[in-house]
Amino acid sequence: DTEVTQTPKHLVMGMTNKKSLKCEQHMGHRAMYWYKQKAKKPPELMFVYSYEKLSINESVPSRFSPECPNSSLLNLHLHALQPEDSALYLCASSQGATALNQPQHFGDGTRLSIL
Amino acid sequence: AQTVTQSQPEMSVQEAETVTLSCTYDTSESDYYLFWYKQPPSRQMILVIRQEAYKQQNATENRFSVNFQKAAKSFSLKISDSQLGDAAMYFCAYRSYLNAGNNRKLIWGLGTSLAVNP
Repeated sequence: DTEVTQTPKHLVMGMTNKKSLKCEQHMGHRAMYWYKQKAKKPPELMFVYSYEKLSINESVPSRFSPECPNSSLLNLHLHALQPEDSALYLCASSQGATALNQPQHFGDGTRLSIL
Repeated sequence: AQTVTQSQPEMSVQEAETVTLSCTYDTSESDYYLFWYKQPPSRQMILVIRQEAYKQQNATENRFSVNFQKAAKSFSLKISDSQLGDAAMYFCAYRSYLNAGNNRKLIWGLGTSLAVNP
């Protein structure tokens, strides 16, 4: 069982829809990450939150909007997505930005399909 | 900038045999961290093993061990007594010791797809 929980596991949406992905961890980690992963490729970093503040935005289009309501929760709000945004979206957490050798723990991901 | 190279896109191994996955990296830093992650078809990215560059001893986790050659910038993963459940995509990743800006990111290799034959 994963300690990072992502919902939903699958999401199909049209290009005009608005939806949100949710990620939750209860390990006391203070850094949380969103990744996008295409099939057979490594994950691509999108956003990093450190102590509930956005610390890295990898020039992600504004149709992706992250939110960190508290230290356990991370959301990714989606709006007006394009077909090329179809991918697996992974959430991860780690002990903190200063715990350099601590690995990231990943969730199972949300498989997103844009019609 | 740091780079990670996994030169074997696909590999296969017979059940109960041993297989070694290669990873090389390029960096000008002397302190850093290296990781192997496994991603089975179930999708979850699972940490297999990690190595701190300042440690000379090779990391070991049960059937998984690494051969860390700092001078050669090589970090291979050995899987002993391969099991069907080891079939997965394996990613090698690098993280800088520095903690500012882009140094906080993991640098990923392209992955090696491992098949385990019964």
